[in-house]
Amino acid sequence: QLQMQESGPGLVKASETLSLTCTVAGGSINSIRYFWGWIRQSPGKGLEWIGTVLYTGVTYYNPSLRSRVTLSVDTSKNRFSLTLNSVTAADTAVYFCAREVDDVAWGRQGTFDVWGRGTMVTVSS
Amino acid sequence: DIVVTQSPDSLAVSLGERATINCKSSQPVLYGSTNKYYLGWFQQKPGQPPKRLIYWASTRESGVPDRFSGSGSGTDFTLTISNVQAEDVAVYFCQQYRGTLYTFGQGTRLEIK
Repeated sequence: QLQMQESGPGLVKASETLSLTCTVAGGSINSIRYFWGWIRQSPGKGLEWIGTVLYTGVTYYNPSLRSRVTLSVDTSKNRFSLTLNSVTAADTAVYFCAREVDDVAWGRQGTFDVWGRGTMVTVSS
Repeated sequence: DIVVTQSPDSLAVSLGERATINCKSSQPVLYGSTNKYYLGWFQQKPGQPPKRLIYWASTRESGVPDRFSGSGSGTDFTLTISNVQAEDVAVYFCQQYRGTLYTFGQGTRLEIK
């Protein structure tokens, strides 16, 4: 069964860079059938999609975060990463990684079926 | 921007009763070449990640009890929980996909009366 695990610092200083990694176990990241996403959840803004990356490195970003976000993938280590620049207190949230499936028979599902447990990131002033 | 609005924000139902949660998108939800809507429903309990219950608007995730059902089309979708059980206490979210963007509703808190 596929499992996803986020890792990275729990505390980041304002104006600095947040970096998180999602390691995938129990399955390969290396498939055109999967879209690998980052979502965050804060009390003030609820669930917010950050971006999605394919194993090829193709990326899609939330326009509201596009200028500060970079997603990348490392197929050799079966993981993908998030970098968010110039963080502020508004970036304090639980960050989740998740997977969307492009079903062979029926096409994309458009929703995330497997999620990591999430990691809390606090931005300090 | 696409806005997804759920109603109500919270509801309390008695055990064994039905709960209905609505999800309205400001733009029609996209559907693929197989006429399946890119709309899902999630359940989230404290300290846990969201758990997908429904995808393609009405397809139940494997292992999810059949008291959970999804319906709707266009901009309006519904999650129905029949015969509500104590373990259904949670926050429920809808999520839609359109134009490479994923947008979540604000959540609906379900409690037991």
